[in-house]
Amino acid sequence: EAGVTQSPTHLIKTRGQQATLRCSPISGHTSVYWYQQALGLGLQFLLWYDEGEERNRGNFPPRFSGRQFPNYSSELNVNALELEDSALYLCASSLGGATDTQYFGPGTRLTVL
Amino acid sequence: DAKTTQPPSMDCAEGRAANLPCNHSTISGNEYVYWYRQIHSQGPQYIIHGLKNNETNEMASLIITEDRKSSTLILPHATLRDTAVYYCIAAYNTDKLIFGTGTRLQVFP
Repeated sequence: EAGVTQSPTHLIKTRGQQATLRCSPISGHTSVYWYQQALGLGLQFLLWYDEGEERNRGNFPPRFSGRQFPNYSSELNVNALELEDSALYLCASSLGGATDTQYFGPGTRLTVL
Repeated sequence: DAKTTQPPSMDCAEGRAANLPCNHSTISGNEYVYWYRQIHSQGPQYIIHGLKNNETNEMASLIITEDRKSSTLILPHATLRDTAVYYCIAAYNTDKLIFGTGTRLQVFP
């Protein structure tokens, strides 16, 4: 069974540009979560989508947004990129229940120059 | 979600058992204890979780004290590939996992 997949693996942007990161959950999973891991820091929760709806949001500005498609895949969009947005962005998926285990993808490393 | 406390680093000889402690003294009755690990710059890997009973799977064992204020993750026969940062998380709703700084486990030959 395929795990969570993310694309691209690496992304290089300049300050002020927009970045789009993609995630495909494990087959049968309806919940998708996004986390940010800046260099040397822990994972910070960004967003949670379930059944196409945003269910919860972490302490990030509105320029971090996303959506979930009918096939449960998801996009994370970061507008007006800043240097401190450089980080590993991780996507996880779960079956969607309140206590279901999250399984993570390999991440997208975003570098903002 | 309850805060967890873990030692920042531990060493373990290859082939020996690695016992990673976690303190979660403020855990509530309906919060699970989850363990993940992250090998350098990869996505976190789920290891095991439990509520109050001890749990075992093909990767590890989880021992939770009777009062649930602490737990220990046991890797029975550590290998070099087990070198990673191990995160202990106490959570009820897994809508957002709160990762702390974890324990950096170094397995040496």
